[in-house]
Amino acid sequence: GENVEQHPSTLSVQEGDSAVIKCTYSDSASNYFPWYKQELGKRPQLIIDIRSNVGEKKDQRIAVTLNKTAKHFSLHITETQPEDSAVYFCAARSGGGADGLTFGKGTHLIIQP
Amino acid sequence: IAGITQAPTSQILAAGRRMTLRCTQDMRHNAMYWYRQDLGLGLRLIHYSNTAGTTGKGEVPDGYSVSRANTDDFPLTLASAVPSQTSVYFCASSARTGGADTQYFGPGTRLTVL
Repeated sequence: GENVEQHPSTLSVQEGDSAVIKCTYSDSASNYFPWYKQELGKRPQLIIDIRSNVGEKKDQRIAVTLNKTAKHFSLHITETQPEDSAVYFCAARSGGGADGLTFGKGTHLIIQP
Repeated sequence: IAGITQAPTSQILAAGRRMTLRCTQDMRHNAMYWYRQDLGLGLRLIHYSNTAGTTGKGEVPDGYSVSRANTDDFPLTLASAVPSQTSVYFCASSARTGGADTQYFGPGTRLTVL
């Protein structure tokens, strides 16, 4: 089955700086890669996603890049703000009938004032 | 519109007891999922259903069963709970039609098995 590795497990950046979280996946048939943000005690919330036929996608301060050849994808957050502090999860969905997501173990992003 | 709801919010359960976690969505989504979240392990798929009447096993299905009698409801049953099933359980749903891939999560159920 699919295996998703996520790094780093903890990331501390100064407010206003950029943050980058990286994930690799194992199944070359995977075709959908979402990123979720989870605040303490809350449900995961989708922040951005990308399909396998696209190399990059941006939404204001966040962007995701996908390298299918290397089987890795990254989340980029620019001009970080205190409200960006949370745990971020990457995920991949394999092709075929098994429809659920395989998640990375998460990155705790800390924005230092 | 409520979206996706789960019940109960939290539960403490004695080992060996049977428990059903409820999940209901009002978005008419075809697909529904159950995940468990454990510290340091992220979210792991337990079971899924691509459409009413069908179910499938995810990464960690042992000790759990599901049913999908209709579009809206997707209950998760622990037939005989064990302490290792202590976790936060999230239900999710997605349309899975017309390229709509987004999975929307419920608020979660915190389950403690003693």
